[in-house]
Amino acid sequence: AQRVTQPEKLLSVFKGAPVELKCNYSYSGSPELFWYVQYSRQRLQLLLRHISRESIKGFTADLNKGETSFHLKKPFAQEEDSAMYYCALTYGNTGKLIFGQGTTLQVKP
Amino acid sequence: GAVVSQHPSWVICKSGTSVKIECRSLDFQATTMFWYRQFPKQSLMLMATSNEGSKATYEQGVEKDKFLINHASLTLSTLTVTSAHPEDSSFYICSATQLEHSNQPQHFGDGTRLSIL
Repeated sequence: AQRVTQPEKLLSVFKGAPVELKCNYSYSGSPELFWYVQYSRQRLQLLLRHISRESIKGFTADLNKGETSFHLKKPFAQEEDSAMYYCALTYGNTGKLIFGQGTTLQVKP
Repeated sequence: GAVVSQHPSWVICKSGTSVKIECRSLDFQATTMFWYRQFPKQSLMLMATSNEGSKATYEQGVEKDKFLINHASLTLSTLTVTSAHPEDSSFYICSATQLEHSNQPQHFGDGTRLSIL
């Protein structure tokens, strides 16, 4: 079965420190991986997707098929990055998103 | 960017009543909408996939007679929680997309907080 695991419920860092939010997945085929972000009192929004291979707000994520991981990274965290981050995958042509448990990123001044 | 509107944002009602939640795509035609449920401090769980003009597809364990989904137009899907009970209290979120365009992401609504007394 498809599964997304985010091992950390909370990640707390100081402003300017590097950030890595971990995400591992299990799926026998070729999934499409996403990172969604939810800022306080706002709706869930797409941060980035692996097929785009782009950097959004300084965040990057590389799909590692060998390790079945899609970790989200940013070299220098900003206070405005504080939010809940969800890793998700979709498979086949279903469009269905399977979400991880989410990680709260707290960036302290 | 694409906007999805969900209404109401919060509803409190008595046990046994039915509650309808609307999900509208405001500036694009959503051929597919998804309904999720989120418990406090937990992740989003997919409940069902709603395609315009056809019956919804429910995920395993989701009662289709309890959670009625209608997708009558390309801009509107509704979720009706029938004969709601306290255990149905949750945060319900919809998303909309165009699956025929493979690069289209899902756009999420703000969610509806349902509290059953």
